[in-house]
Amino acid sequence: RKEVEQDPGPFNVPEGATVAFNCTYSNSASQSFFWYRQDCRKEPKLLMSVYSSGNEDGRFTAQLNRASQYISLLIRDSKLSDSATYLCVVTRSGGSYIPTFGRGTSLIVHP
Amino acid sequence: NAGVTQTPKFQVLKTGQSMTLQCAQDMNHNSMYWYRQDPGMGLRLIYYSASEGTTDKGEVPNGYNVSRLNKREFSLRLESAAPSQTSVYFCAEGTPTGAGTEAFFGQGTRLTVV
Repeated sequence: RKEVEQDPGPFNVPEGATVAFNCTYSNSASQSFFWYRQDCRKEPKLLMSVYSSGNEDGRFTAQLNRASQYISLLIRDSKLSDSATYLCVVTRSGGSYIPTFGRGTSLIVHP
Repeated sequence: NAGVTQTPKFQVLKTGQSMTLQCAQDMNHNSMYWYRQDPGMGLRLIYYSASEGTTDKGEVPNGYNVSRLNKREFSLRLESAAPSQTSVYFCAEGTPTGAGTEAFFGQGTRLTVV
């Protein structure tokens, strides 16, 4: 089983829609959680960190459920520019902090 | 990306050729990583370095070697390239933050082995 699992999608939604992605992780010792965004043929870039209490950044809300070992990302009022692949990232410590990436969820926002 | 610089951006190799992918960071952080990204596979860790002079294997180290000679530079070497190593390679550095260690990436190297 892969350490970080995501539904690859694609999620195809109209502008203005609300869309949610989930991610599950298998290592209960995981310590830090992030969502990254990757545009086509570009490097991944940090979208937001995920805190235990949940956090919001504009139209984006991230939540963490440690008991069930999943992370979610909610995007409200989708824009065309939100079209990208969203990567769930979990960092564990075994002496070194190693970011482990999910395979990503593709989002396509259409007019 | 002023933080992490990778060279080259594109490369075509013949099977059996060798090459070194260069990566340098100017953020003065300890951790550096090499990932490869293939369609449908996501980013997979090849090697990482927790600090200058130390390196460790990741998920897919076979066919690669790395070198961390100083804090700034972390290179990835393919001694005898194979078509299975056709991929996009990303170098990253680990930035410690209050939320944990965030990976900050270079722009990637697109490698084709023919």
